[in-house]
Amino acid sequence: EDKVVQSPLSLVVHEGDTVTLNCSYEVTNFRSLLWYKQEKKAPTFLFMLTSSGIEKKSGRLSSILDKKELFSILNITATQTGDSAVYLCALDTQGGSEKLVFGKGTKLTVNP
Amino acid sequence: KAGVTQTPRYLIKTRGQQVTLSCSPISGHRSVSWYQQTPGQGLQFLFEYFSETQRNKGNFPGRFSGRQFSNSRSEMNVSTLELGDSALYLCASSPTPPGQGRRNEQFFGPGTRLTVL
Repeated sequence: EDKVVQSPLSLVVHEGDTVTLNCSYEVTNFRSLLWYKQEKKAPTFLFMLTSSGIEKKSGRLSSILDKKELFSILNITATQTGDSAVYLCALDTQGGSEKLVFGKGTKLTVNP
Repeated sequence: KAGVTQTPRYLIKTRGQQVTLSCSPISGHRSVSWYQQTPGQGLQFLFEYFSETQRNKGNFPGRFSGRQFSNSRSEMNVSTLELGDSALYLCASSPTPPGQGRRNEQFFGPGTRLTVL
């Protein structure tokens, strides 16, 4: 069964800290790994990673995928209170039922 | 451009009842997916529709069903509600058919919060 595990489940930091969120997976066949930010209701898209080793960056956020070791990380530097949210990792599976398989998320709280 | 809209936003039902949730995709989007989000299981895929046809289905019992209309609007129905069906139901729309590897073009709606008493 396809499985996505995120760690830690929750994290509390101070503004300005750097955080690393982890996503490991046991998925045999997938097209891409995606990261989302969920603040209240609707998850919003952050990154899509398809190739191993290529870092994606957007401002203070960056992400990388390691297909050999079966994990991805999401880094946030110089955190702000507006970064407080649940961060979700998902794999776009292929073969059989094609779907997004999500991890349970990491709840990040950034205190001023 | 208006985003994905879901109605109703909140709903309270009792065990044994049935419920219908509605999702209007972004204009021009023809693919609609449904997800269930609970604290215990996280976000889980229910089903995906494109051009009025169910293209993919998750591991949920037959009490969960859906359909898509010719204008791409979608509904999902849950019959014989159980306490465990209490969840946030999210809908997402995309302009591309399933299997294109372009999930980054999928946008989520705000969800319907269903409470089963």
